Amino acid sequence: KQEVTQIPAALSVPEGENLVLNCSFTDSAIYNLQWFRQDPGKGLTSLLLIQSSQREQTSGRLNASLDKSSGRSTLYIAASQPGDSATYLCAVPRAFGNEKLTFGTGTRLTIIP
Amino acid sequence: NAGVTQTPKFQVLKTGQSMTLQCAQDMNHEYMSWYRQDPGMGLRLIHYSVGAGITDQGEVPNGYNVSRSTTEDFPLRLLSAAPSQTSVYFCASSNRLRFVSGANVLTFGAGSRLTVL
Repeated sequence: KQEVTQIPAALSVPEGENLVLNCSFTDSAIYNLQWFRQDPGKGLTSLLLIQSSQREQTSGRLNASLDKSSGRSTLYIAASQPGDSATYLCAVPRAFGNEKLTFGTGTRLTIIP
Repeated sequence: NAGVTQTPKFQVLKTGQSMTLQCAQDMNHEYMSWYRQDPGMGLRLIHYSVGAGITDQGEVPNGYNVSRSTTEDFPLRLLSAAPSQTSVYFCASSNRLRFVSGANVLTFGAGSRLTVL
């Protein structure tokens, strides 16, 4: 059974710093990995989807990397801003083309002005 | 606004009461699903549907029923609410054809916070 872990559960950094969020998964036979953002009282918004054949995916100040062999993905946020404060979750599908996702428990990020 | 709409946003129930959480999407998505989110446990799949008339169980289906009579709607029914069902519930949908290519993502509703006393 796939297990997805995100450590730490919470992180606070000063504005302007670059930071890395971690996601680990136990079964390396994944097809893709998604990073989501969740704001308090809101639903989840997809940030990046990285395919198993890719090593990196970028969107603006966000960069997601994937290392299947080690069972890890990282989300790099450059030049952090207070608006980046949110909970970030990663998720992997249970099979190719399968919409059923296994989610990590998330990292709550606070950017200190 | 196009997207996934959930109602109600907040609900308080007493143990044993029944209720229905509503989910509607206007994107003509074939796939719809319900997740619950509990502190420290991430999101867990309750039920899902790949099209009208087709539903299946997810990871934690006990105590919940679903039906899919139309493409747009996917209600979640709590038959006899229990305190263990206190949670935030999210509905999500996707276009299956794009998802099977590994390229699509789920669109989530804003959530329904349920408290069972």
